[in-house]
Amino acid sequence: AQKITQTQPGMFVQEKEAVTLDCTYDTSDQSYGLFWYKQPSSGEMIFLIYQGSYDEQNATEGRYSLNFQKARKSANLVISASQLGDSAMYFCAIDNYGQNFVFGPGTRLSVLP
Amino acid sequence: EPEVTQTPSHQVTQMGQEVILRCVPISNHLYFYWYRQILGQKVEFLVSFYNNEISEKSEIFDDQFSVERPDGSNFTLKIRSTKLEDSAMYFCASRLGTEIYNEQFFGPGTRLTVL
Repeated sequence: AQKITQTQPGMFVQEKEAVTLDCTYDTSDQSYGLFWYKQPSSGEMIFLIYQGSYDEQNATEGRYSLNFQKARKSANLVISASQLGDSAMYFCAIDNYGQNFVFGPGTRLSVLP
Repeated sequence: EPEVTQTPSHQVTQMGQEVILRCVPISNHLYFYWYRQILGQKVEFLVSFYNNEISEKSEIFDDQFSVERPDGSNFTLKIRSTKLEDSAMYFCASRLGTEIYNEQFFGPGTRLTVL
């Protein structure tokens, strides 16, 4: 079964600095997708970034980038130039053989002014 | 930009009552999902739906849960006899296809409170 581990229950970062949120995964599938979602205090789930297992380049979307290390089975999210509005829960997820997403426990990021 | 919508945003019900949570997925999407998030915990998969039938369900999705797509636009989750432990945020999601690059688009959620 697919599994996602996020070992940082909470993280703090100073405004304008970069922060890395860890995600490791376990899968026996050769082809898979990894996704990051942001959940602000209002509760909605906002898609941030996607990385495919066969993608040779690390994904980037604006201030978000993925540090994808396939051999280590890690897909860490890097947020550059943190803003106060980045304070939220962040979930890493893996596509489960096209059936559903398996989510990690999340990391709560707090951006300090 | 198309989005997934859910109603109501918050539902309060008495234990043992039936509730129906409603979702309107993105119109050209073919795959639909329900997830549950108990307060402060991770998002858990309940059920996936494709071509008018359940394609997969988790062990959480027992006989008290059912889903249907009654009219080609709405996608509903029914809980027949609610329990206190059903209190959670329920998210509907839809997806264009099951290729690995397709993200799931989530609705804003329905917060269910069972008293």
